[in-house]
Amino acid sequence: EVRLVESGGNLVQPGGSLRLSCVISGFTFDAYAMHWVRQVPGKGLEWVSSIGWDSDFKAYADSVRGRFTISRDSARNSLYLQMDSLRPEDTALYYCVKGEGLGTSIGFDHWGQGTPLTVSS
Amino acid sequence: QSVLIQPPSASGTPGQRVTISCTGSSSNIGTFFLYWYQQLPGMAPKLLISKNNQRPSGVPDRFSGSVSGTSASLAISGLRSEDEAYYYCAAWDNSLSGWVFGAGTNLTVL
Repeated sequence: EVRLVESGGNLVQPGGSLRLSCVISGFTFDAYAMHWVRQVPGKGLEWVSSIGWDSDFKAYADSVRGRFTISRDSARNSLYLQMDSLRPEDTALYYCVKGEGLGTSIGFDHWGQGTPLTVSS
Repeated sequence: QSVLIQPPSASGTPGQRVTISCTGSSSNIGTFFLYWYQQLPGMAPKLLISKNNQRPSGVPDRFSGSVSGTSASLAISGLRSEDEAYYYCAAWDNSLSGWVFGAGTNLTVL
């Protein structure tokens, strides 16, 4: 069974930093691209970032480029999102999402339950 | 305004067939696969239709997807109360070098 378990969400002050983690199980981590998608409560889905199977390709939404960094660690079966210079508009539920294949342009097939981030003073 | 355009709402009565549209452009739907996701209240999204028209294992054949040019449609036949949810379309966009989602369609079963 595919499982994606996010952690690290918290209350952070504007300008602060936080790292989200996602531990996976039930599939071969190295064989799939991975993604982060966020959702403001009551609003729609917003893609945040994607990373290819071998970390060679990374992509970011314009709203987070230069502030967020995606990474993965195959030894720990983990996906990360380092978030710096946080803004109130980053407040959302952050989902860890498994890609269907190696490349980042292939869709998402499994979602975690999300970890909440609140950016507020 | 979302890059992929969906109607904000749709509705039908039990047993009816409803369709939800998703309109994009040559940089997304016109070139890359289109995906549909279902989000039930309080739940994480779930893959409903993959690669334009493929149903993952476990998705009832009441759900079907199609793409024509730069537009896509999700059809739900034999509508059931448990189909009440938000439905999102998504595709890779090579002009933006990233994923784009529709704003979501809230399906109500009357």
